Amino acid sequence: GAVVSQHPSWVICKSGTSVKIECRSLDFQATTMFWYRQFPKQSLMLMATSNEGSKATYEQGVEKDKFLINHASLTLSTLTVTSAHPEDSSFYICSARDADLAGGGGNYNEQFFGPGTRLTVL
Amino acid sequence: AQTVTQSQPEMSVQEAETVTLSCTYDTSESDYYLFWYKQPPSRQMILVIRQEAYKQQNATENRFSVNFQKAAKSFSLKISDSQLGDAAMYFCAYTSGYSTLTFGKGTMLLVSP
Repeated sequence: GAVVSQHPSWVICKSGTSVKIECRSLDFQATTMFWYRQFPKQSLMLMATSNEGSKATYEQGVEKDKFLINHASLTLSTLTVTSAHPEDSSFYICSARDADLAGGGGNYNEQFFGPGTRLTVL
Repeated sequence: AQTVTQSQPEMSVQEAETVTLSCTYDTSESDYYLFWYKQPPSRQMILVIRQEAYKQQNATENRFSVNFQKAAKSFSLKISDSQLGDAAMYFCAYTSGYSTLTFGKGTMLLVSP
C-alpha cells in the first residue's frame, strides 16, 4: 500500500515551453501533497504544499507564476513549470500524506514519496 | 525555525561491518517525529526508520536502529551487518505533527566488498 506515482519519469523540453508533471496517490486519498526540488548531490528543497481544493502554499523564494500547482482531487496533484528555462532543469519529487492517517486521531505525519521526475530544459 | 544537521557528507563501510550516521536537530517543540530516509541511485525516497519524540525507547527495524538522545537533540542511525544494497544517500528529517518535513543535507554511504 501507500504508493505514489509520478508521470512522466523524465522529460526534455525546449526553453520557453511549459511542462506538466502529475503526482498520483494510487491506493489512498491524500488531502495534502508536497512538491520538492532536488539538485544533484543535494537535499530535497520543499517548493510548495498542495491541499486538495485550495490554493497551494509556496515556500519563500519559489515563483508562484512559474510553478503552478493544482490539487483538484484527493488522488492527483499537478505541477506545471511555465516558460521553462535551463535553470529550471532539476529533479522534481512529490509526496503525499494519507488522509485517513492524518484524520485518525493521531498526529503522525508520514509522507509517501513518488519516484521523481527529471526535467531537462534545452 | 527547525534545523537538521548532518555533519558527515560521506561515510564508508565494509560489508558485514557496522556504521553510524550522525544527525542533530534544533527545535523548541516537545512533541515531534524524526525519520531516516534512504535515497538509492534510483532516487526513490525510502523510509528506513522513524522515531516519535515522546517514546524513550529507540526505534529498530531489522539491521537499522537509532540512538535517540532527546536532551542532546541527537538522532543517529546505526546500520549493522552492512550490505552492498545499503549504499545510498541517507537523509535525516524532522517534523512536528502536521507540519512539513525538514531534511538534513544528507550523508552518502559507500559500502565496499
